[in-house]
Amino acid sequence: NAGVTQTPKFQVLKTGQSMTLQCAQDMNHEYMSWYRQDPGMGLRLIHYSVGAGITDQGEVPNGYNVSRSTTEDFPLRLLSAAPSQTSVYFCASSQHLLAGRHTDTQYFGPGTRLTVL
Amino acid sequence: EDKVVQSPLSLVVHEGDTVTLNCSYEVTNFRSLLWYKQEKKAPTFLFMLTSSGIEKKSGRLSSILDKKELFSILNITATQTGDSAVYLCAGEIQGAQKLVFGQGTRLTINP
Repeated sequence: NAGVTQTPKFQVLKTGQSMTLQCAQDMNHEYMSWYRQDPGMGLRLIHYSVGAGITDQGEVPNGYNVSRSTTEDFPLRLLSAAPSQTSVYFCASSQHLLAGRHTDTQYFGPGTRLTVL
Repeated sequence: EDKVVQSPLSLVVHEGDTVTLNCSYEVTNFRSLLWYKQEKKAPTFLFMLTSSGIEKKSGRLSSILDKKELFSILNITATQTGDSAVYLCAGEIQGAQKLVFGQGTRLTINP
């Protein structure tokens, strides 16, 4: 198993550009999520999905869109990049993260370092 | 607002020392608390704690949860340079299907 993969590893954008960060997992996990990590802020949840066709907003969703057309893939779209979106982005997946079921180990991808000029 | 606070934010010790990292939480419908270790890249899972007072151990690392006082500690004994990392804790919200992370503690072990 490759686990959770993310592409690209690094990206530099100009303000106003759009792009998609890719995330894929081959563990047949139901739950996938996107976090951003900024210095001194820990990890903050952007969007998450509990299964194909189902997505929901996390703590900091503004400026980002997601979709989950398959179990494996969970891309994150930046619609019009802003310098405030400069961050490291992590995708994560787990078997389930639902009420009534304990959190399973959450597997993180290697991260994408995004700089917006 | 759900909140997880870690302390200290940064800690520098010598190899062989014992360290205690703290995590306090205010999470509605709290279900579990998780600890992660983050070196250069992605966080890796250490512990999940759901019950108060039951210590979880893995080698030199151990952790315990106090659901009455709303905190958890992570202990590392006989520290080694390889323990240098950022340690993250996160609270799981039951019913909301998400984790709330603390800011992390940056631990540096000097030889």
